[in-house]
Amino acid sequence: AQSVTQPDIHITVSEGASLELRCNYSYGATPYLFWYVQSPGQGLQLLLKYFSGDTLVQGIKGFEAEFKRSQSSFNLRKPSVHWSDAAEYFCAVVKDYGQNFVFGPGTRLSVLP
Amino acid sequence: NAGVTQTPKFQVLKTGQSMTLQCAQDMNHNSMYWYRQDPGMGLRLIYYSASEGTTDKGEVPNGYNVSRLNKREFSLRLESAAPSQTSVYFCASGGDQTQYFGPGTRLLVL
Repeated sequence: AQSVTQPDIHITVSEGASLELRCNYSYGATPYLFWYVQSPGQGLQLLLKYFSGDTLVQGIKGFEAEFKRSQSSFNLRKPSVHWSDAAEYFCAVVKDYGQNFVFGPGTRLSVLP
Repeated sequence: NAGVTQTPKFQVLKTGQSMTLQCAQDMNHNSMYWYRQDPGMGLRLIYYSASEGTTDKGEVPNGYNVSRLNKREFSLRLESAAPSQTSVYFCASGGDQTQYFGPGTRLLVL
């Protein structure tokens, strides 16, 4: 069965520092990959997605993610974190041409002033 | 263009009461989904509808029923609420292999 792991439950970084959130998936073929962000009390907002092509994808709010097939990973990065980035981040995977997502458990990001 | 809307935003029920959570989308998507979110467990799929007139069980369907009323609307019903159904419920619609989420309904069952 497909699964998505996000090894870090909670990460704290200082404002202005760089950020990397890890995501690993287990699936034989190349799935479609997504990162969503959830601010407190809000729904999930799509940050970026990877279907095929260039393995480095750009998203909204200055985020990017890199797909590494050899490592079954899709890590999210941001060069300089802002206080408003404090939120929970979810990685998700879906099979080719499918619609049903599998979500990771989420990583909560705290930002120190 | 509202995207995905959900009502109500908050609800408190007593054990055994019933209620229906409403969801509507204006993106002309064929597929719609209901998830529940619990601390440390991410999002778990309750039911989904791949197209108007069809519904299928997800990972955690027990205690829930759904109705795909038309292409726009997908409702989730709790016939006899239990404390274990205290959660945040999200509706989503799917298009272009991407899901778009509503703001959620917070449900407390006492």
